[in-house]
Amino acid sequence: NAGVTQTPKFQVLKTGQSMTLQCAQDMNHNSMYWYRQDPGMGLRLIYYSASEGTTDKGEVPNGYNVSRLNKREFSLRLESAAPSQTSVYFCASSEAYRTANTGELFFGEGSRLTVL
Amino acid sequence: GENVEQHPSTLSVQEGDSAVIKCTYSDSASNYFPWYKQELGKGPQLIIDIRSNVGEKKDQRIAVTLNKTAKHFSLHITETQPEDSAVYFCAASGNNAGNMLTFGGGTRLMVKP
Repeated sequence: NAGVTQTPKFQVLKTGQSMTLQCAQDMNHNSMYWYRQDPGMGLRLIYYSASEGTTDKGEVPNGYNVSRLNKREFSLRLESAAPSQTSVYFCASSEAYRTANTGELFFGEGSRLTVL
Repeated sequence: GENVEQHPSTLSVQEGDSAVIKCTYSDSASNYFPWYKQELGKGPQLIIDIRSNVGEKKDQRIAVTLNKTAKHFSLHITETQPEDSAVYFCAASGNNAGNMLTFGGGTRLMVKP
Protein backbone atom coordinates (compact mmCIF):
# COMPACT_ATOMS: atom_id res chain seq x y z
CA ASN A 1 0.00 0.00 0.00
CA ALA A 2 1.91 3.07 -1.29
CA GLY A 3 -0.15 5.82 0.42
CA VAL A 4 1.23 9.21 -0.71
CA THR A 5 4.07 9.16 -3.23
CA GLN A 6 6.19 12.21 -4.09
CA THR A 7 8.76 12.71 -6.83
CA PRO A 8 11.53 13.66 -7.02
CA LYS A 9 13.02 13.02 -3.56
CA PHE A 10 15.93 15.38 -4.16
CA GLN A 11 16.45 18.27 -6.57
CA VAL A 12 19.03 21.01 -6.97
CA LEU A 13 18.05 24.07 -8.98
CA LYS A 14 19.71 27.30 -9.97
CA THR A 15 17.98 30.59 -9.23
CA GLY A 16 15.40 31.31 -11.90
CA GLN A 17 14.91 27.72 -13.03
CA SER A 18 11.49 26.12 -12.89
CA MET A 19 10.39 22.69 -11.75
CA THR A 20 7.34 20.67 -10.77
CA LEU A 21 6.96 18.41 -7.75
CA GLN A 22 4.60 15.54 -8.34
CA CYS A 23 2.33 13.90 -5.78
CA ALA A 24 -0.07 10.97 -6.04
CA GLN A 25 -2.21 9.21 -3.44
CA ASP A 26 -3.91 5.84 -3.70
CA MET A 27 -6.30 6.13 -0.72
CA ASN A 28 -9.19 7.68 -2.68
CA HIS A 29 -8.89 10.83 -0.59
CA ASN A 30 -10.74 13.94 -1.65
CA SER A 31 -8.35 16.56 -0.24
CA MET A 32 -4.67 17.11 -0.91
CA TYR A 33 -2.10 19.58 0.43
CA TRP A 34 1.39 20.91 -0.11
CA TYR A 35 3.48 21.93 2.93
CA ARG A 36 7.00 23.20 3.29
CA GLN A 37 9.18 22.36 6.29
CA ASP A 38 11.91 24.70 7.45
CA PRO A 39 14.04 24.34 10.61
CA GLY A 40 12.25 25.68 13.68
CA MET A 41 9.18 26.70 11.70
CA GLY A 42 7.23 23.49 11.62
CA LEU A 43 5.07 22.73 8.61
CA ARG A 44 3.51 25.61 6.71
CA LEU A 45 0.69 25.14 4.23
CA ILE A 46 1.44 26.38 0.72
CA TYR A 47 -1.69 25.37 -1.21
CA TYR A 48 -4.46 22.87 -0.81
CA SER A 49 -7.17 21.25 -2.88
CA ALA A 50 -10.29 20.54 -0.85
CA SER A 51 -11.74 18.46 -3.67
CA GLU A 52 -11.03 17.60 -7.29
CA GLY A 53 -11.31 20.72 -9.40
CA THR A 54 -10.61 23.22 -6.61
CA THR A 55 -7.42 24.76 -5.27
CA ASP A 56 -6.86 27.44 -2.61
CA LYS A 57 -3.99 29.36 -1.12
CA GLY A 58 -2.57 28.43 2.23
CA GLU A 59 -0.27 30.38 4.54
CA VAL A 60 2.73 30.82 2.20
CA PRO A 61 1.57 30.64 -1.47
CA ASN A 62 3.82 33.28 -3.06
CA GLY A 63 6.13 31.89 -5.75
CA TYR A 64 4.16 28.67 -6.19
CA ASN A 65 1.37 27.32 -8.38
CA VAL A 66 -0.56 24.07 -8.11
CA SER A 67 -2.62 21.81 -10.30
CA ARG A 68 -5.10 19.17 -9.15
CA LEU A 69 -4.74 16.95 -12.18
CA ASN A 70 -7.34 14.42 -11.05
CA LYS A 71 -8.49 12.93 -7.77
CA ARG A 72 -5.17 11.10 -7.27
CA GLU A 73 -2.63 13.72 -8.33
CA PHE A 74 -1.68 17.17 -7.05
CA SER A 75 1.41 18.94 -8.40
CA LEU A 76 3.37 21.93 -7.11
CA ARG A 77 5.22 24.18 -9.54
CA LEU A 78 7.98 26.68 -8.92
CA GLU A 79 8.03 29.00 -11.96
CA SER A 80 11.21 30.91 -11.09
CA ALA A 81 13.01 29.32 -8.16
CA ALA A 82 14.62 31.51 -5.48
CA PRO A 83 17.06 30.57 -2.69
CA SER A 84 14.26 31.30 -0.16
CA GLN A 85 12.43 28.29 -1.60
CA THR A 86 15.15 25.92 -0.41
CA SER A 87 13.15 23.61 1.83
CA VAL A 88 11.70 20.16 2.30
CA TYR A 89 8.30 19.87 0.64
CA PHE A 90 5.62 17.47 1.82
CA CYS A 91 2.48 16.44 0.06
CA ALA A 92 -0.39 15.20 2.22
CA SER A 93 -3.92 13.96 1.78
CA SER A 94 -7.04 13.49 3.89
CA GLU A 95 -10.46 11.95 3.40
CA ALA A 96 -12.06 15.36 3.20
CA TYR A 97 -10.98 18.96 3.80
CA ARG A 98 -12.73 19.28 7.11
CA THR A 99 -11.10 16.11 8.36
CA ALA A 100 -7.68 17.66 7.87
CA ASN A 101 -8.59 19.98 10.68
CA THR A 102 -10.30 17.37 12.81
CA GLY A 103 -8.78 14.10 11.60
CA GLU A 104 -5.69 12.52 10.14
CA LEU A 105 -3.37 13.89 7.48
CA PHE A 106 -1.33 11.31 5.55
CA PHE A 107 2.05 12.60 4.42
CA GLY A 108 4.47 11.56 1.71
CA GLU A 109 8.17 11.10 2.47
CA GLY A 110 9.14 14.57 1.30
CA SER A 111 11.11 16.23 -1.50
CA ARG A 112 14.30 18.07 -0.56
CA LEU A 113 14.81 21.07 -2.82
CA THR A 114 17.94 23.21 -2.88
CA VAL A 115 18.04 26.45 -4.87
CA LEU A 116 21.51 27.83 -5.48
CA GLY B 1 -4.88 33.56 12.78
CA GLU B 2 -3.66 30.81 15.06
CA ASN B 3 -0.11 30.79 16.44
CA VAL B 4 1.38 27.66 18.02
CA GLU B 5 4.56 27.77 20.11
CA GLN B 6 6.35 24.51 20.94
CA HIS B 7 9.02 23.86 23.59
CA PRO B 8 11.67 22.64 23.91
CA SER B 9 13.16 22.56 20.42
CA THR B 10 15.46 19.69 21.42
CA LEU B 11 15.13 17.18 24.26
CA SER B 12 17.56 14.47 25.29
CA VAL B 13 16.53 11.76 27.77
CA GLN B 14 17.88 8.43 28.99
CA GLU B 15 16.08 5.30 27.90
CA GLY B 16 13.33 4.54 30.39
CA ASP B 17 12.86 8.15 31.48
CA SER B 18 9.80 10.24 30.67
CA ALA B 19 9.68 13.04 28.09
CA VAL B 20 7.32 16.01 28.06
CA ILE B 21 6.78 18.41 25.15
CA LYS B 22 4.65 21.51 25.64
CA CYS B 23 2.70 23.69 23.22
CA THR B 24 0.72 26.89 23.61
CA TYR B 25 -1.82 28.27 21.17
CA SER B 26 -3.33 31.70 20.69
CA ASP B 27 -6.83 31.19 19.25
CA SER B 28 -9.35 30.33 21.94
CA ALA B 29 -11.67 28.97 19.22
CA SER B 30 -9.24 26.12 18.43
CA ASN B 31 -10.68 22.78 19.43
CA TYR B 32 -8.58 20.07 17.77
CA PHE B 33 -4.99 19.30 18.84
CA PRO B 34 -3.06 16.52 17.08
CA TRP B 35 0.52 15.37 17.58
CA TYR B 36 2.65 14.09 14.70
CA LYS B 37 5.88 12.09 14.85
CA GLN B 38 8.45 12.40 12.08
CA GLU B 39 11.16 9.77 11.85
CA LEU B 40 14.35 10.48 9.94
CA GLY B 41 13.73 10.63 6.19
CA LYS B 42 9.98 10.10 6.57
CA GLY B 43 6.88 12.23 6.51
CA PRO B 44 5.05 13.11 9.74
CA GLN B 45 2.61 10.53 11.09
CA LEU B 46 -0.29 11.12 13.48
CA ILE B 47 0.32 9.49 16.86
CA ILE B 48 -2.43 10.93 19.04
CA ASP B 49 -4.96 13.74 19.03
CA ILE B 50 -7.32 15.39 21.48
CA ARG B 51 -10.43 17.52 21.16
CA SER B 52 -11.40 20.36 23.41
CA ASN B 53 -14.17 18.47 25.19
CA VAL B 54 -11.54 16.12 26.67
CA GLY B 55 -8.84 17.03 29.20
CA GLU B 56 -6.58 14.01 28.79
CA LYS B 57 -6.15 11.08 26.43
CA LYS B 58 -3.84 8.06 26.72
CA ASP B 59 -2.61 5.46 24.28
CA GLN B 60 -0.19 2.99 25.82
CA ARG B 61 3.00 4.96 26.66
CA ILE B 62 1.85 8.27 25.23
CA ALA B 63 -0.64 10.73 26.66
CA VAL B 64 -1.79 14.21 25.81
CA THR B 65 -3.23 16.75 28.23
CA LEU B 66 -5.14 19.92 27.38
CA ASN B 67 -5.73 23.03 29.47
CA LYS B 68 -8.18 25.21 27.54
CA THR B 69 -8.16 27.98 30.12
CA ALA B 70 -4.40 28.42 29.85
CA LYS B 71 -4.40 27.52 26.13
CA HIS B 72 -1.71 24.92 26.37
CA PHE B 73 -1.40 21.21 25.70
CA SER B 74 1.35 18.69 26.29
CA LEU B 75 2.62 15.34 25.03
CA HIS B 76 3.88 12.88 27.64
CA ILE B 77 5.92 9.81 26.71
CA THR B 78 6.68 7.37 29.51
CA GLU B 79 9.32 4.63 29.59
CA THR B 80 11.04 6.08 26.55
CA GLN B 81 12.73 3.74 24.09
CA PRO B 82 15.34 4.43 21.38
CA GLU B 83 12.63 4.07 18.72
CA ASP B 84 10.89 7.11 20.24
CA SER B 85 13.75 9.24 18.89
CA ALA B 86 12.20 11.51 16.26
CA VAL B 87 10.89 15.02 15.66
CA TYR B 88 7.48 15.67 17.22
CA PHE B 89 5.06 18.36 16.03
CA CYS B 90 2.03 19.69 17.82
CA ALA B 91 -0.77 21.43 15.91
CA ALA B 92 -4.03 23.23 16.53
CA SER B 93 -7.12 24.19 14.58
CA GLY B 94 -10.73 25.17 14.88
CA ASN B 95 -13.53 23.46 12.99
CA ASN B 96 -14.79 26.41 10.99
CA ALA B 97 -14.55 26.23 7.23
CA GLY B 98 -11.23 27.67 6.16
CA ASN B 99 -9.51 27.04 9.48
CA MET B 100 -6.09 25.65 8.76
CA LEU B 101 -4.15 23.23 10.90
CA THR B 102 -1.30 25.32 12.38
CA PHE B 103 1.84 23.44 13.39
CA GLY B 104 4.36 24.20 16.11
CA GLY B 105 8.06 24.43 15.29
CA GLY B 106 8.87 20.86 16.28
CA THR B 107 10.85 19.11 19.04
CA ARG B 108 13.75 16.80 18.30
CA LEU B 109 13.65 14.04 20.91
CA MET B 110 16.76 11.92 21.41
CA VAL B 111 16.54 8.84 23.61
CA LYS B 112 19.96 7.62 24.73
CA PRO B 113 20.28 3.87 25.29
